[in-house]
Amino acid sequence: QQQVKQSPQSLIVQKGGISIINCAYENTAFDYFPWYQQFPGKGPALLIAIRPDVSEKKEGRFTISFNKSAKQFSLHIMDSQPGDSATYFCAAATETSGSRLTFGEGTQLTVNP
Amino acid sequence: GAGVSQSPSNKVTEKGKDVELRCDPISGHTALYWYRQSLGQGLEFLIYFQGNSAPDKSGLPSDRFSAERTGGSVSTLTIQRTQQEDSAVYLCASNIGRTGGYTFGSGTRLTVV
Repeated sequence: QQQVKQSPQSLIVQKGGISIINCAYENTAFDYFPWYQQFPGKGPALLIAIRPDVSEKKEGRFTISFNKSAKQFSLHIMDSQPGDSATYFCAAATETSGSRLTFGEGTQLTVNP
Repeated sequence: GAGVSQSPSNKVTEKGKDVELRCDPISGHTALYWYRQSLGQGLEFLIYFQGNSAPDKSGLPSDRFSAERTGGSVSTLTIQRTQQEDSAVYLCASNIGRTGGYTFGSGTRLTVV
Protein backbone atom coordinates (compact mmCIF):
# COMPACT_ATOMS: atom_id res chain seq x y z
CA GLN A 1 0.00 0.00 0.00
CA GLN A 2 3.06 2.19 0.21
CA GLN A 3 3.89 1.90 -3.49
CA VAL A 4 3.94 4.70 -6.00
CA LYS A 5 3.87 3.54 -9.61
CA GLN A 6 5.35 5.78 -12.29
CA SER A 7 5.11 5.69 -16.08
CA PRO A 8 6.54 5.76 -18.64
CA GLN A 9 10.00 4.45 -17.80
CA SER A 10 11.48 6.57 -20.59
CA LEU A 11 10.17 9.36 -22.77
CA ILE A 12 11.51 11.11 -25.86
CA VAL A 13 10.03 14.47 -26.81
CA GLN A 14 10.89 17.04 -29.45
CA LYS A 15 11.92 20.52 -28.40
CA GLY A 16 8.85 22.63 -27.83
CA GLY A 17 6.61 19.64 -27.15
CA ILE A 18 4.76 18.66 -23.99
CA SER A 19 6.24 16.01 -21.71
CA ILE A 20 3.77 14.11 -19.54
CA ILE A 21 4.74 11.74 -16.74
CA ASN A 22 2.14 9.90 -14.69
CA CYS A 23 2.07 8.45 -11.19
CA ALA A 24 -0.50 6.39 -9.31
CA TYR A 25 -0.67 5.58 -5.63
CA GLU A 26 -2.69 3.29 -3.39
CA ASN A 27 -2.37 4.74 0.10
CA THR A 28 -5.23 7.23 0.57
CA ALA A 29 -3.41 8.67 3.60
CA PHE A 30 -0.79 10.26 1.34
CA ASP A 31 -1.13 14.03 1.53
CA TYR A 32 2.04 15.38 -0.03
CA PHE A 33 3.13 14.74 -3.62
CA PRO A 34 6.46 16.19 -4.82
CA TRP A 35 8.32 15.76 -8.08
CA TYR A 36 12.10 15.59 -8.21
CA GLN A 37 14.47 16.21 -11.12
CA GLN A 38 17.82 14.44 -11.27
CA PHE A 39 20.72 15.16 -13.61
CA PRO A 40 23.53 12.62 -14.09
CA GLY A 41 25.98 12.64 -11.20
CA LYS A 42 23.74 14.79 -9.03
CA GLY A 43 21.23 14.11 -6.32
CA PRO A 44 17.52 14.62 -7.01
CA ALA A 45 16.31 18.21 -6.62
CA LEU A 46 12.80 19.22 -5.62
CA LEU A 47 10.99 20.59 -8.67
CA ILE A 48 7.38 21.18 -7.62
CA ALA A 49 4.96 19.73 -5.09
CA ILE A 50 1.22 19.58 -4.49
CA ARG A 51 -1.10 18.81 -1.60
CA PRO A 52 -4.53 17.24 -2.19
CA ASP A 53 -6.54 20.36 -1.41
CA VAL A 54 -5.89 21.61 -4.97
CA SER A 55 -6.23 19.87 -8.33
CA GLU A 56 -3.48 21.70 -10.17
CA LYS A 57 -0.33 23.65 -9.41
CA LYS A 58 1.75 25.52 -11.95
CA GLU A 59 5.26 26.89 -11.67
CA GLY A 60 6.61 28.28 -14.89
CA ARG A 61 6.59 25.54 -17.54
CA PHE A 62 5.95 22.81 -14.94
CA THR A 63 2.41 21.81 -13.89
CA ILE A 64 1.20 19.11 -11.53
CA SER A 65 -2.31 17.78 -12.11
CA PHE A 66 -3.85 15.87 -9.21
CA ASN A 67 -6.88 13.55 -9.34
CA LYS A 68 -7.74 12.51 -5.80
CA SER A 69 -10.59 10.15 -6.74
CA ALA A 70 -8.41 8.29 -9.24
CA LYS A 71 -5.40 8.40 -6.91
CA GLN A 72 -3.26 9.72 -9.74
CA PHE A 73 -1.07 12.72 -10.32
CA SER A 74 0.98 13.82 -13.27
CA LEU A 75 3.75 16.21 -14.26
CA HIS A 76 3.38 18.25 -17.43
CA ILE A 77 6.38 20.06 -18.88
CA MET A 78 5.26 22.62 -21.43
CA ASP A 79 7.57 23.85 -24.23
CA SER A 80 10.08 21.12 -23.34
CA GLN A 81 13.73 22.10 -23.79
CA PRO A 82 16.90 20.01 -24.23
CA GLY A 83 17.99 21.27 -20.79
CA ASP A 84 14.97 19.48 -19.31
CA SER A 85 16.56 16.14 -20.24
CA ALA A 86 16.91 14.39 -16.89
CA THR A 87 15.35 11.67 -14.76
CA TYR A 88 12.12 12.64 -13.02
CA PHE A 89 10.79 11.00 -9.87
CA CYS A 90 7.37 11.37 -8.34
CA ALA A 91 6.96 10.73 -4.63
CA ALA A 92 4.35 10.67 -1.90
CA ALA A 93 4.21 10.92 1.87
CA THR A 94 1.80 11.28 4.73
CA GLU A 95 2.98 14.51 6.25
CA THR A 96 0.50 14.45 9.09
CA SER A 97 2.18 11.37 10.51
CA GLY A 98 5.64 12.45 9.49
CA SER A 99 6.20 9.58 7.13
CA ARG A 100 9.14 9.45 4.78
CA LEU A 101 8.80 9.91 1.04
CA THR A 102 8.05 6.88 -1.11
CA PHE A 103 9.44 7.35 -4.61
CA GLY A 104 8.29 6.15 -8.01
CA GLU A 105 10.66 4.23 -10.24
CA GLY A 106 11.69 7.27 -12.28
CA THR A 107 11.25 8.45 -15.88
CA GLN A 108 14.21 9.22 -18.08
CA LEU A 109 13.22 12.18 -20.25
CA THR A 110 15.13 13.07 -23.41
CA VAL A 111 14.24 16.26 -25.25
CA ASN A 112 15.66 16.31 -28.75
CA PRO A 113 16.73 19.65 -30.25
CA GLY B 1 26.57 24.56 5.11
CA ALA B 2 24.71 25.71 2.04
CA GLY B 3 23.76 22.21 0.98
CA VAL B 4 23.96 18.57 1.96
CA SER B 5 27.55 17.39 1.72
CA GLN B 6 28.48 13.75 1.17
CA SER B 7 31.89 12.16 1.21
CA PRO B 8 33.60 10.52 -0.44
CA SER B 9 32.01 11.20 -3.82
CA ASN B 10 33.38 7.92 -5.13
CA LYS B 11 34.55 4.82 -3.32
CA VAL B 12 35.96 1.63 -4.78
CA THR B 13 36.40 -1.18 -2.31
CA GLU B 14 37.21 -4.86 -2.38
CA LYS B 15 34.55 -7.41 -1.59
CA GLY B 16 34.53 -8.22 2.10
CA LYS B 17 35.90 -4.87 3.27
CA ASP B 18 33.98 -2.41 5.45
CA VAL B 19 33.13 1.08 4.21
CA GLU B 20 31.93 4.27 5.87
CA LEU B 21 29.96 6.92 4.02
CA ARG B 22 29.52 10.36 5.53
CA CYS B 23 26.69 12.88 5.29
CA ASP B 24 26.77 16.44 6.57
CA PRO B 25 23.23 17.83 6.43
CA ILE B 26 22.10 21.41 6.15
CA SER B 27 22.57 23.19 9.45
CA GLY B 28 19.37 23.20 11.47
CA HIS B 29 17.74 20.35 9.57
CA THR B 30 16.40 17.89 12.11
CA ALA B 31 15.50 15.10 9.68
CA LEU B 32 18.11 13.04 7.82
CA TYR B 33 17.51 10.24 5.35
CA TRP B 34 19.64 7.68 3.56
CA TYR B 35 18.51 6.25 0.23
CA ARG B 36 20.21 3.87 -2.20
CA GLN B 37 19.98 4.20 -5.99
CA SER B 38 21.12 1.32 -8.13
CA LEU B 39 22.00 1.93 -11.79
CA GLY B 40 18.90 3.07 -13.64
CA GLN B 41 16.69 2.35 -10.66
CA GLY B 42 14.55 4.35 -8.29
CA LEU B 43 15.37 5.43 -4.78
CA GLU B 44 15.34 2.72 -2.13
CA PHE B 45 14.81 3.96 1.43
CA LEU B 46 17.39 2.80 3.95
CA ILE B 47 17.10 4.73 7.24
CA TYR B 48 15.58 7.91 8.68
CA PHE B 49 16.65 10.03 11.65
CA GLN B 50 14.30 12.64 13.15
CA GLY B 51 15.66 14.74 15.98
CA ASN B 52 16.24 12.70 19.13
CA SER B 53 13.72 10.01 18.20
CA ALA B 54 14.75 6.42 17.59
CA PRO B 55 15.73 6.05 13.91
CA ASP B 56 13.48 4.26 11.44
CA LYS B 57 15.72 1.43 10.28
CA SER B 58 13.02 -0.44 8.38
CA GLY B 59 14.75 -0.06 5.00
CA LEU B 60 18.16 -1.46 5.90
CA PRO B 61 18.59 -4.52 3.65
CA SER B 62 20.66 -6.62 6.05
CA ASP B 63 22.47 -6.49 9.38
CA ARG B 64 25.65 -5.58 7.48
CA PHE B 65 24.20 -2.09 7.16
CA SER B 66 24.11 0.36 10.05
CA ALA B 67 23.98 4.11 10.51
CA GLU B 68 24.39 6.61 13.25
CA ARG B 69 23.88 10.30 13.64
CA THR B 70 26.05 12.11 16.12
CA GLY B 71 24.89 15.25 17.90
CA GLY B 72 21.88 15.55 15.66
CA SER B 73 24.09 16.54 12.75
CA VAL B 74 26.60 14.43 10.81
CA SER B 75 25.58 10.89 9.90
CA THR B 76 27.69 7.89 8.95
CA LEU B 77 26.38 4.90 7.00
CA THR B 78 28.51 1.81 7.54
CA ILE B 79 28.45 -1.27 5.34
CA GLN B 80 30.32 -4.24 6.73
CA ARG B 81 31.72 -7.11 4.65
CA THR B 82 30.71 -5.43 1.40
CA GLN B 83 29.23 -7.51 -1.41
CA GLN B 84 29.06 -6.76 -5.13
CA GLU B 85 25.32 -6.19 -4.88
CA ASP B 86 26.04 -3.28 -2.53
CA SER B 87 27.39 -1.33 -5.52
CA ALA B 88 25.13 1.70 -5.94
CA VAL B 89 24.89 5.42 -5.33
CA TYR B 90 24.12 6.17 -1.70
CA LEU B 91 22.17 9.39 -1.31
CA CYS B 92 21.68 11.39 1.84
CA ALA B 93 18.94 14.00 2.26
CA SER B 94 17.93 16.36 5.02
CA ASN B 95 14.79 18.28 5.87
CA ILE B 96 13.96 21.02 8.31
CA GLY B 97 11.20 18.96 9.86
CA ARG B 98 8.64 16.35 8.99
CA THR B 99 7.02 18.24 6.17
CA GLY B 100 8.08 19.56 2.82
CA GLY B 101 10.65 18.38 0.36
CA TYR B 102 14.05 16.97 1.03
CA THR B 103 17.38 18.44 -0.01
CA PHE B 104 19.63 15.73 -1.38
CA GLY B 105 23.39 15.56 -1.51
CA SER B 106 25.18 14.49 -4.69
CA GLY B 107 25.69 11.00 -3.34
CA THR B 108 28.54 8.56 -2.87
CA ARG B 109 29.07 6.14 -5.75
CA LEU B 110 30.17 2.85 -4.19
CA THR B 111 31.74 0.18 -6.36
CA VAL B 112 32.55 -3.19 -4.83
CA VAL B 113 35.06 -5.19 -6.88
